[in-house]
Amino acid sequence: GEDVEQSLFLSVREGDSSVINCTYTDSSSTYLYWYKQEPGAGLQLLTYIFSNMDMKQDQRLTVLLNKKDKHLSLRIADTQTGDSAIYFCAETTDTGGFKTIFGAGTRLFVKA
Amino acid sequence: DVKVTQSSRYLVKRTGEKVFLECVQDMDHENMFWYRQDPGLGLRLIYFSYDVKMKEKGDIPEGYSVSREKKERFSLILESASTNQTSMYLCASSTQGRSNYGYTFGSGTRLTVV
Repeated sequence: GEDVEQSLFLSVREGDSSVINCTYTDSSSTYLYWYKQEPGAGLQLLTYIFSNMDMKQDQRLTVLLNKKDKHLSLRIADTQTGDSAIYFCAETTDTGGFKTIFGAGTRLFVKA
Repeated sequence: DVKVTQSSRYLVKRTGEKVFLECVQDMDHENMFWYRQDPGLGLRLIYFSYDVKMKEKGDIPEGYSVSREKKERFSLILESASTNQTSMYLCASSTQGRSNYGYTFGSGTRLTVV
């Protein structure tokens, strides 16, 4: 079945780059997303990429997609303490009525 | 500012009570979803709806039901609350079909069943 996997924890120093990785199994993915969840809040859509693209850049965020390996990554340049949050990878597939599958989330700690 | 509003941020209920969690969106979205979020398990889909009066079971529907009488409102009902339903509940909405640009989430309701 469909699955989205990501590591649960990442720690970086303020000012460094963060790279959060995600793998997915469904080759019929149409859209892939990164969401951010701050403590006590709901999820906020950060960025998305169509499956026919391999890169998208938006200010400090860079999304890389390797369709062959079914690998998605989110790079945050110049990571700040305000970037500390849980980051969820998600995919929407052509099967099951465009159902969205979420990963378990990666908790990013930024050390000052 | 478009939004999804969940009626309560925190709720404490007793075992066996009937619990209603309300969600309202102002974006005219066709799709609405209820998830629960538990540490280490990520988001698990309880129920979703693609249209008014329409509902579909998600991955963990047992012990829950839903109601969608109006397009903007999607209610989650715990028929008889149990302690294993203590969780963070998240409502979301989205547009329909191939132009799916992601979900808009509410702020969540943290439910504790004692």
